Amino acid sequence: NAGVTQTPKFRVLKTGQSMTLLCAQDMNHEYMYWYRQDPGMGLRLIHYSVGEGTTAKGEVPDGYNVSRLKKQNFLLGLESAAPSQTSVYFCASSKYSNQPQHFGDGTRLSIL
Amino acid sequence: GQQVMQIPQYQHVQEGEDFTTYCNSSTTLSNIQWYKQRPGGHPVFLIQLVKSGEVKKQKRLTFQFGEAKKNSSLHITATQTTDVGTYFCAGRGYTGNQFYFGTGTSLTVIP
Repeated sequence: NAGVTQTPKFRVLKTGQSMTLLCAQDMNHEYMYWYRQDPGMGLRLIHYSVGEGTTAKGEVPDGYNVSRLKKQNFLLGLESAAPSQTSVYFCASSKYSNQPQHFGDGTRLSIL
Repeated sequence: GQQVMQIPQYQHVQEGEDFTTYCNSSTTLSNIQWYKQRPGGHPVFLIQLVKSGEVKKQKRLTFQFGEAKKNSSLHITATQTTDVGTYFCAGRGYTGNQFYFGTGTSLTVIP
């Protein structure tokens, strides 16, 4: 039982490049979330999903897209990376919206 | 939009001293969760409070939810070096599915 797995763990991009972060959970959770964590800012919700095939915007969705084609996977895409997107990205999942969230180990992304 | 403020941002204590972090919301919350993140790690769920005035304890940790359900606190008695990390509150309103995280309190325990 791996819980929530994020890949990759580290990545360096150049401005304008694109990439996809993958999140996988094996707990049969309905809800999945993508957060970014910046110093002094706490965790800010980018997008989330309430079930397979659904996505919704969070607090800071601009510059990101997401997809949830399978219940266990939630993908975060950066179409044209910008230095302001340098951050640590965490994926989380929960059974329902009012339940505890289980976090992955994070992806440290640097954009030059 | 909903905001959850958390103070202090940093706290340094001598081992054995007590520690408290406070969380305040601009709106009434349906429930609040607390998480701990060790340095270099990911947030780990500690507890959830739902009822007005609720108090829950986990060993040396005491969690409170305010009567108006707009504030919460986490108190650690007699801190230990294992308590080091950042403590986050996360509040959810009565509309919407998302929790809003506070900015966190980073606790350093000096041996």
